[in-house]
Amino acid sequence: IAGITQAPTSQILAAGRRMTLRCTQDMRHNAMYWYRQDLGLGLRLIHYSNTAGTTGKGEVPDGYSVSRANTDDFPLTLASAVPSQTSVYFCASSADRGTEAFFGQGTRLTVV
Amino acid sequence: GIQVEQSPPDLILQEGANSTLRCNFSDSVNNLQWFHQNPWGQLINLFYIPSGTKQNGRLSATTVATERYSLLYISSSQTTDSGVYFCAVDLQTGANNLFFGTGTRLTVIP
Repeated sequence: IAGITQAPTSQILAAGRRMTLRCTQDMRHNAMYWYRQDLGLGLRLIHYSNTAGTTGKGEVPDGYSVSRANTDDFPLTLASAVPSQTSVYFCASSADRGTEAFFGQGTRLTVV
Repeated sequence: GIQVEQSPPDLILQEGANSTLRCNFSDSVNNLQWFHQNPWGQLINLFYIPSGTKQNGRLSATTVATERYSLLYISSSQTTDSGVYFCAVDLQTGANNLFFGTGTRLTVIP
């Protein structure tokens, strides 16, 4: 079934550790996104990529980095996790910027 | 920055009732989407609706871009409609960002 796959589904991480959240899509979409969802704040964009080889910063990029080596994969890295990065992380993709976006199932991350 | 306001914030319905959810936005947008986040946290696409009206079964949506609002209609509600409904907008200019409202939490009771 075509779609977006995120891994892991959930993770408990010690503060200061490095962590990479994985996201893969098989729809050959050009644009991909990472959002975080916090209670009462809705979803906020962390980073985006309009096409393979390019990335950009969203609303809340500090403490996160991304790469887009190919069309299908868009990993999100926390270089040194802090408790304020405890959140649910969603990866999304769309055919192009501004077209209909589809979301993965989310990764629940707890930093202790 | 753009403001995306949803109302009401919370709604409790008896099964079979109808409801209207509203999304107001403060700037011109390229597109608007409605999502349903189910109790398991999954975000499900409902409508991609930059303007006009669309219908899908018991759900329909209308966006009036010139007046900067969108409405989501749920008819004959079912318990499986429970969850949080989000609207999200993409600005015509500026950053590449799908801005989300804070959602309407719907609870349908049998």
